[in-house]
Amino acid sequence: AQKVTQAQTEISVVEKEDVTLDCVYETRDTTYYLFWYKQPPSGELVFLIRRNSFDEQNEISGRYSWNFQKSTSSFNFTITASQVVDSAVYFCALSEASNSNSGYALNFGKGTSLLVTP
Amino acid sequence: DGGITQSPKYLFRKEGQNVTLSCEQNLNHDAMYWYRQDPGQGLRLIYYSQIVNDFQKGDIAEGYSVSREKKESFPLTVTSAQKNPTAFYLCASSRQGNPYNEQFFGPGTRLTVL
Repeated sequence: AQKVTQAQTEISVVEKEDVTLDCVYETRDTTYYLFWYKQPPSGELVFLIRRNSFDEQNEISGRYSWNFQKSTSSFNFTITASQVVDSAVYFCALSEASNSNSGYALNFGKGTSLLVTP
Repeated sequence: DGGITQSPKYLFRKEGQNVTLSCEQNLNHDAMYWYRQDPGQGLRLIYYSQIVNDFQKGDIAEGYSVSREKKESFPLTVTSAQKNPTAFYLCASSRQGNPYNEQFFGPGTRLTVL
């Protein structure tokens, strides 16, 4: 079963628009960690943020912000005033404390492809 | 600069051939991982290793093999038993095999079967 769902396959926005990427996760663990990664056209995944299950504070880093809501099992990512350089595939991922039998490998969503046009 | 290198960037394989993808890290990380990415899909775990000389199968290990003889290196061999090997392969490492350490990724190898 898919543990991380990113319902938006592709999003296209015009530069300077705000855009929110949705991420819904599923877990029975009380201790878990959520991640966002960016995959630009070059292919390498770049780590953006980690959030643990005990910290529901939202986080802002420049134009990026993250909204973590345990009540809805969501960890959404907003880019404010998008730029062309934000064009990439964005992945949400889950790591569960009970998942030692897979070396705590990340469970990835299928990704959201964001295209920002001038 | 610390990081993860993967080679080659592009690899072409004829059916029935084994090929080996290289992954090297100089981050002094204990844990290393191999993921496979198919178009429009997330990443799926092939193999992982939490320490030298030890590795475990992931979700899609059939047709693949690995070794971990050195801390820095975790090569992946795609064997002829892998029926559909065309994909993008990503190697990752983390400081230790635990749930909160972020994973750092290499630039990937794109494998195409001719």
